Amino acid sequence: NAGVTQTPKFQVLKTGQSMTLQCAQDMNHNSMYWYRQDPGMGLRLIYYSASEGTTDKGEVPNGYNVSRLNKREFSLRLESAAPSQTSVYFCASSERVILYNQPQHFGDGTRLSIL
Amino acid sequence: SQQGEEDPQALSIQEGENATMNCSYKTSINNLQWYRQNSGRGLVHLILIRSNEREKHSGRLRVTLDTSKKSSSLLITASRAADTASYFCATDEETSGSRLTFGEGTQLTVNP
Repeated sequence: NAGVTQTPKFQVLKTGQSMTLQCAQDMNHNSMYWYRQDPGMGLRLIYYSASEGTTDKGEVPNGYNVSRLNKREFSLRLESAAPSQTSVYFCASSERVILYNQPQHFGDGTRLSIL
Repeated sequence: SQQGEEDPQALSIQEGENATMNCSYKTSINNLQWYRQNSGRGLVHLILIRSNEREKHSGRLRVTLDTSKKSSSLLITASRAADTASYFCATDEETSGSRLTFGEGTQLTVNP
C-alpha cells in the first residue's frame, strides 16, 4: 500500500534547466495537490487538480506548470529553473470534495536545489 | 498569505509532560485539520474538527475549536520522544473550494 509516491527524491539543477516532478497515488483519490515548503513559511499551494481533467492555480503558481495525466498521476514542471525555486516539493491527494475538504495524504517530498 | 498561525513556533518538553499548541485563523471555515511532519517526511493527517464541533479526541490527542475567537488548540497528553515532530494546522475556508491553507507549524521536541 504505497499511498502517494513522488519521484525523484532529490535533484540538483542548474539555473535555466527544466525538469518534471512526478507524483502518483494508488488510493483512487479524485483531488491532487502540489505544495512547496520553505523554512519558516509552512506549505504553500502551487497548483491543484480538484478532479481528473481540471487544474487550478494555487498561491504561488508562477514558474510552474502541471499536468493531470490521469486519475492517478499529477506532474509538476519547472520550465526554466531559478534559484528561488530551491525548496522541498510535496504532492498530496484527497477524496472528492463534497461539503468540505477531506484529509490530504502526502508523499515524502522531492528536495530540489537550483544552483 | 497564511491563514493559520501556530503558537508557539517551538516547544521543548520532557517525556510524560503534556504539550499544547495553538492555531489562529482569520476567516470562516468549514473545518480545521491538524497534521504532523516528522523530519524528512511528508505530512500525516492527525485529526479533523468541523466548524460545528467544539472538542474532539483521538487517542492521546485532544483538539478544541473556538469559532468565536477563530482559534484551535492541539493537546498531546503524556508525550513521548516519538512525538517529536512539527505540527501544522490547516484551515478549510468556506470560500476556498478544494484548497486547504496551512500554517507555519510548531516544532515540538520531547526530551527523553
